[in-house]
Amino acid sequence: DAGVTQSPTHLIKTRGQQVTLRCSPKSGHDTVSWYQQALGQGPQFIFQYYEEEERQRGNFPDRFSGHQFPNYSSELNVNALLLGDSALYLCASSAGPRYIQYFGAGTRLSVL
Amino acid sequence: GQSLEQPSEVTAVEGAIVQINCTYQTSGFYGLSWYQQHDGGAPTFLSYNALDGLEETGRFSSFLSRSDSYGYLLLQELQMKDSASYFCAVITGKLIFGQGTTLQVKP
Repeated sequence: DAGVTQSPTHLIKTRGQQVTLRCSPKSGHDTVSWYQQALGQGPQFIFQYYEEEERQRGNFPDRFSGHQFPNYSSELNVNALLLGDSALYLCASSAGPRYIQYFGAGTRLSVL
Repeated sequence: GQSLEQPSEVTAVEGAIVQINCTYQTSGFYGLSWYQQHDGGAPTFLSYNALDGLEETGRFSSFLSRSDSYGYLLLQELQMKDSASYFCAVITGKLIFGQGTTLQVKP
């Protein structure tokens, strides 16, 4: 049983560019959440997708958007990248919004 | 608002027992979780308390008291590989994390 998988593992972009990160949830999970983790900090909630809709959103600007597909996989898009967007982006899945979340290994994004 | 507080660093010796406390302010949540994260790695689920009381999973135990807005993670028989960051997090549909506690286990 594969766990949560994310791609790519590492990514380097320049300011102003756009990026798309991908996540496949753990088998049997229908809810995907995205988090941003800066160095030395706890993960910060970006948004959550359930039944292909954004259900909750954290304090992130509209430059951060996402999508969930019918197979429950998800994408995170970030437009107009800023240097401050450099972080580890984590995807977590759960069998519903109320339950334990399991994390992928993350995508390390560096913005130059 | 919602916030969680944890000590920033804890140091212990191999074989010892260590307790990492977590106090929180939140209007409502489904449960309190604990995650372990090694440098550069993903948070790994350790334990979850939906109800007050103690949950035991091998060398790790977690406790929750909703009336005291308090929980803790207890690690027994510490091993060098337990050196990592530990996060408490409340589940409100989303996970709200504390800033994490860095545990250093010394020989």
